[in-house]
Amino acid sequence: DAGVIQSPRHEVTEMGQEVTLRCKPISGHDYLFWYRQTMMRGLELLIYFNNNVPIDDSGMPEDRFSAKMPNASFSNLKIQPSEPRDSAVYFCASSSGASGSRYEQYFGPGTRLTVT
Amino acid sequence: DQQVKQNSPSLSVQEGRISILNCDYTNSMFDYFLWYKKYPAEGPTFLISISSIKDKNEDGRFTVFLNKSAKHLSLHIVPSQPGDSAVYFCAASRNYGNKLVFGAGTILRVKS
Repeated sequence: DAGVIQSPRHEVTEMGQEVTLRCKPISGHDYLFWYRQTMMRGLELLIYFNNNVPIDDSGMPEDRFSAKMPNASFSNLKIQPSEPRDSAVYFCASSSGASGSRYEQYFGPGTRLTVT
Repeated sequence: DQQVKQNSPSLSVQEGRISILNCDYTNSMFDYFLWYKKYPAEGPTFLISISSIKDKNEDGRFTVFLNKSAKHLSLHIVPSQPGDSAVYFCAASRNYGNKLVFGAGTILRVKS
């Protein structure tokens, strides 16, 4: 299995631009999570989906952030407009609710976002 | 409000010795705890977990201890190896849910 795939691995953009981060979860996993890691706040959950439906988006910082999961194989996280304080590493993770180890989330390699 | 705290930013241990990483939590509703390991430029990987109905779980060189009364858990690595050098995150779940709350992480350096 290829694991969780994220693209791009690095993104540098100017303030005000739209940013789209992409994630392909592990095949068969029915939970998908978006996290953000910063020095100040550590690793924080932004939103998670179950069977493509958003379950909890209480971690999404503001309306500039949105996430969708149109099908079981793809999710994207959009920031519009982007701001320098959005600079962070964004991780996508997936897990299987059906297995006995449903808490074990498998993380992608992350997207390092820099907003100048 | 940090519900999961890893108060030691870093730890340095000699190869072959024991590494002990600590984690404290404040929310008594947490009932499942996990440790993740992270190498640079990679995502965190699951290491070991423990349910609140247990006080110890062991997997090879890794053992997690849970002290519910003290709201404290620890990860023991014996013997430590240079490949264990990484950032270790403690995480907790409430009501056996899928939402994890992570600590800030502890950088472990194992010297050979």
